[in-house]
Amino acid sequence: RKEVEQDPGPFNVPEGATVAFNCTYSNSASQSFFWYRQDCRKEPKLLMSVYSSGNEDGRFTAQLNRASQYISLLIRDSKLSDSATYLCVVNTAVAAGNKLTFGGGTRVLVKP
Amino acid sequence: NAGVTQTPKFQVLKTGQSMTLQCAQDMNHNSMYWYRQDPGMGLRLIYYSASEGTTDKGEVPNGYNVSRLNKREFSLRLESAAPSQTSVYFCASRERYSYNEQFFGPGTRLTVL
Repeated sequence: RKEVEQDPGPFNVPEGATVAFNCTYSNSASQSFFWYRQDCRKEPKLLMSVYSSGNEDGRFTAQLNRASQYISLLIRDSKLSDSATYLCVVNTAVAAGNKLTFGGGTRVLVKP
Repeated sequence: NAGVTQTPKFQVLKTGQSMTLQCAQDMNHNSMYWYRQDPGMGLRLIYYSASEGTTDKGEVPNGYNVSRLNKREFSLRLESAAPSQTSVYFCASRERYSYNEQFFGPGTRLTVL
């Protein structure tokens, strides 16, 4: 089993609709979690960190479920510019510092 | 403030050739990383440097070597390139022991023929 797993998609979303997808992780000791956005052939950029209580940033909501070991990302009122690949990142403390493990990404295509 | 820079942006090598990918950051970060990204796969860690003077293997270190030249620079060397090393390589940096974000360079697209 992969340490961090995501549905690769693509999720085809009508403009203005809501889309949500999850990311599961296998290491229960993982401490912090992030969602990164990656546009085609570009570098990943931080979208948002995921906090235990859940957090919202504009149209984006991230939630963490430690009991079931998954995080989720919800996008409301989807825009064409939201089309991208969303990478789940899990941070785990190891002897040498922090280990970041990336999921394979979920591709979202927002269509008019 | 350029962030993380990488050179070259594109490179084509023949099997068996060697090359070094350069990475530099101007954010005074302690930790630096090298990843590769292949189609349909997430980023896989090749090597990382938690702080100046230290380097450690990641998930896929075979065929690569690294040098943390100073706090700013972290290079990745392919001693004898193989077609399996065709990939996009990203360098990244972040503060050590923090929950802060990781900043990525623009990537190097490497093709090995």
